[in-house]
Amino acid sequence: DAKTTQPNSMESNEEEPVHLPCNHSTISGTDYIHWYRQLPSQGPEYVIHGLTSNVNNRMASLAIAEDRKSSTLILHRATLRDAAVYYCILGGHGSSNTGKLIFGQGTTLQVKP
Amino acid sequence: GAVVSQHPSRVICKSGTSVKIECRSLDFQATTMFWYRQFPKQSLMLMATSNEGSKATYEQGVEKDKFLINHASLTLSTLTVTSAHPEDSSFYICSAPRGASTEAFFGQGTRLTVV
Repeated sequence: DAKTTQPNSMESNEEEPVHLPCNHSTISGTDYIHWYRQLPSQGPEYVIHGLTSNVNNRMASLAIAEDRKSSTLILHRATLRDAAVYYCILGGHGSSNTGKLIFGQGTTLQVKP
Repeated sequence: GAVVSQHPSRVICKSGTSVKIECRSLDFQATTMFWYRQFPKQSLMLMATSNEGSKATYEQGVEKDKFLINHASLTLSTLTVTSAHPEDSSFYICSAPRGASTEAFFGQGTRLTVV
């Protein structure tokens, strides 16, 4: 499985944007970039995924570098409820998606009021 | 949306006893489910892939005789921690993909404490 590298922790102020980086220099041409987050004492939840183009949904935006070797998860206005561990994971999509996720260490995001 | 439910959410058991954890997909069928374990301050570690109607596939280093997995129906997988010991105390989490959806749905997790 291709490896991702994320900073261990980041801090943000409430109501400000947060940019969470992820490096995946060994990404293959068919790997999708998935982001999940885990709130304290809960199971992870899906945030967003993408392949080449930038993606937006109600939770976040995903900016993918042109060479696909890195990506950035963008929370446009951080709230205290966004404090969580954010995981960047490479995997399949659609019929090639087995649902099997290999988690790295993730980034612990702290949001200050 | 799709929901995966785990039960119990918290269990305390005595050393040497067995504990069963259930993982249900509530509004979709899951031929495959996954079991993870998470120790404090650490990431999720994949333990095994649960396959409906066939044997589970265990990750390297996970004892299949200790962590029994049964996937008897398309909506239920169970993980039984046999002869539990304090070092088995952990947060156990299941997940299931829904069809061709990219999104994996996770249970709420089960916090096991062995005393």
